[in-house]
Amino acid sequence: GENVEQHPSTLSVQEGDSAVIKCTYSDSASNYFPWYKQELGKRPQLIIDIRSNVGEKKDQRIAVTLNKTAKHFSLHITETQPEDSAVYFCAASKTNFGNEKLTFGTGTRLTIIP
Amino acid sequence: DTEVTQTPKHLVMGMTNKKSLKCEQHMGHRAMYWYKQKAKKPPELMFVYSYEKLSINESVPSRFSPECPNSSLLNLHLHALQPEDSALYLCASSLSGQNEQYFGPGTRLTVT
Repeated sequence: GENVEQHPSTLSVQEGDSAVIKCTYSDSASNYFPWYKQELGKRPQLIIDIRSNVGEKKDQRIAVTLNKTAKHFSLHITETQPEDSAVYFCAASKTNFGNEKLTFGTGTRLTIIP
Repeated sequence: DTEVTQTPKHLVMGMTNKKSLKCEQHMGHRAMYWYKQKAKKPPELMFVYSYEKLSINESVPSRFSPECPNSSLLNLHLHALQPEDSALYLCASSLSGQNEQYFGPGTRLTVT
């Protein structure tokens, strides 16, 4: 089955600086890669996703890049703010005719230092 | 309505109790999911329903029994749970299996 590795497990960044979280996946058939943000005691919230037919997607301060050859994708957060502090999970899935499932990375705890 | 809702928010049950968790969405989504999440871990998939039919069971013990009465509602029936089953139980839905999943707020379950 799919295996998703995520690094780093913890990341501290000065407010205003950029943060980068990286994930690698094992199944070359995976074609959908979402990122979730989970604040303490809250639900995972989809913040951005990318499909395998594009290499990069941006939404304001958040961007995701995908390298299909190397089987890795990354989350980039620019101009970080204290409210960006949370646990971030990457995930991967592949088309499977109604039997799709997300395989999650182990998570990155991002702390923004004011 | 653009949210997934879950009830109850918190549940404490003994090992001999029977209880149910409820999940509801009115976004017209046809895929619904149950996840279990332990502290500091990612969500762990338990079940997937696609068009009201169980499509994935991730080898979950039979003390967890899912039910999808209609396209908007998903239940998880609990019976004879163990203390190690204490966790946050998350429901999610998506338009179809190939689309983005949206999570409910979860039920924090404690088994005593």
